[in-house]
Amino acid sequence: AQSVAQPEDQVNVAEGNPLTVKCTYSVSGNPYLFWYVQYPNRGLQFLLKYITGDNLVKGSYGFEAEFNKSQTSFHLKKPSALVSDSALYFCAVRDLNYGQNFVFGPGTRLSVLP
Amino acid sequence: ETGVTQTPRHLVMGMTNKKSLKCEQHLGHNAMYWYKQSAKKPLELMFVYSLEERVENNSVPSRFSPECPNSSHLFLHLHTLQPEDSALYLCASSQEMAGGVYEQYFGPGTRLTVT
Repeated sequence: AQSVAQPEDQVNVAEGNPLTVKCTYSVSGNPYLFWYVQYPNRGLQFLLKYITGDNLVKGSYGFEAEFNKSQTSFHLKKPSALVSDSALYFCAVRDLNYGQNFVFGPGTRLSVLP
Repeated sequence: ETGVTQTPRHLVMGMTNKKSLKCEQHLGHNAMYWYKQSAKKPLELMFVYSLEERVENNSVPSRFSPECPNSSHLFLHLHTLQPEDSALYLCASSQEMAGGVYEQYFGPGTRLTVT
């Protein structure tokens, strides 16, 4: 079975500091990994994905994520946080052995403090 | 955000009512999804349609009935709901192609309250 864990419910960071939002996964086959962001009263917006290739993936709004196969992790990072980055972040995995079923983590609330 | 639209944005219904949620995607995608988002719980996949055929149904109660008349439209028909069905219902779409894995695009959701 496939699963996603986001070990932190809440992450607080000062504006201008680097941020990391953690994600670990479990799949039986090759992992296809995604990060989404959700602002209040909005749907989820796609940030980036890892399918294959370079372990460092760059995405929208200056975010990037590092795929680590040995640690089964896909942490989201940004070198310098903005107050406007405050939102709910979701990691998701898709294992093609399970058809079109995307599995989402529980979400991590990021607060960037001015 | 206008790629996937959902109506209504808010819905309050009694347990004996029948209502429908509508989703429309303007992205030319061939797969559409319904998710339920409840407070303190992970996003739950409810239904998946690919090329207008239902391919996933994750043990959803029969009081939820999906309909996909064409690749651009998806409905969720609701009847005799329970208060615990109150949640944000999100629609998403993606382009499914053999050998590829593509991200989903989400609508803004319908906030459903069952009284």
